[in-house]
Amino acid sequence: IAGITQAPTSQILAAGRRMTLRCTQDMRHNAMYWYRQDLGLGLRLIHYSNTAGTTGKGEVPDGYSVSRANTDDFPLTLASAVPSQTSVYFCASSESGGVTDTQYFGPGTRLTVL
Amino acid sequence: DQQVKQNSPSLSVQEGRISILNCDYTNSMFDYFLWYKKYPAEGPTFLISISSIKDKNEDGRFTVFLNKSAKHLSLHIVPSQPGDSAVYFCAASASGTYKYIFGTGTRLKVLA
Repeated sequence: IAGITQAPTSQILAAGRRMTLRCTQDMRHNAMYWYRQDLGLGLRLIHYSNTAGTTGKGEVPDGYSVSRANTDDFPLTLASAVPSQTSVYFCASSESGGVTDTQYFGPGTRLTVL
Repeated sequence: DQQVKQNSPSLSVQEGRISILNCDYTNSMFDYFLWYKKYPAEGPTFLISISSIKDKNEDGRFTVFLNKSAKHLSLHIVPSQPGDSAVYFCAASASGTYKYIFGTGTRLKVLA
């Protein structure tokens, strides 16, 4: 069982370009999340989805969009990347989205926007 | 405004001794708290959690203490081992929000 996979592992991107970070889970979890990790700021929630077909905004949603067409996939899109979006991005999933559910994290995508 | 704070960015402890990691929060609506551990180049992994109806939860070498009146929780690791060297994040959530708020992390180094 792979758990959660993220692609790419790392990427260098020119400012203004469009980029989609991929996230796939094989645990049939209903809820999925996208976080960014920045030095001195910890992990901050970008967007989440409690079930396929629904999404919600987290703490720092501006400049990002998500979709949840099916249970397994939760891609994160930067429509026009800016240098402040340089970060490590983690995808996570949990069984039902309840706050007492454990969230399982992927290995992360390191994104650099120049 | 940081609702969950870990004021110590780093901590060094000798192998076999106790490690104490601290976390403070400001939102009185938080009623569920967690600790995650993160190794370099890996995603965070769940370590231990505590509900606000308890003041202590134990799992092997790891114990989390919650002081609701002080809005403070701590993670105790006894005895500390070199493999515990990692970044530890505390997180908090409020019922019905479906979200965790994470602290900034504390890097623990256990010296052999």
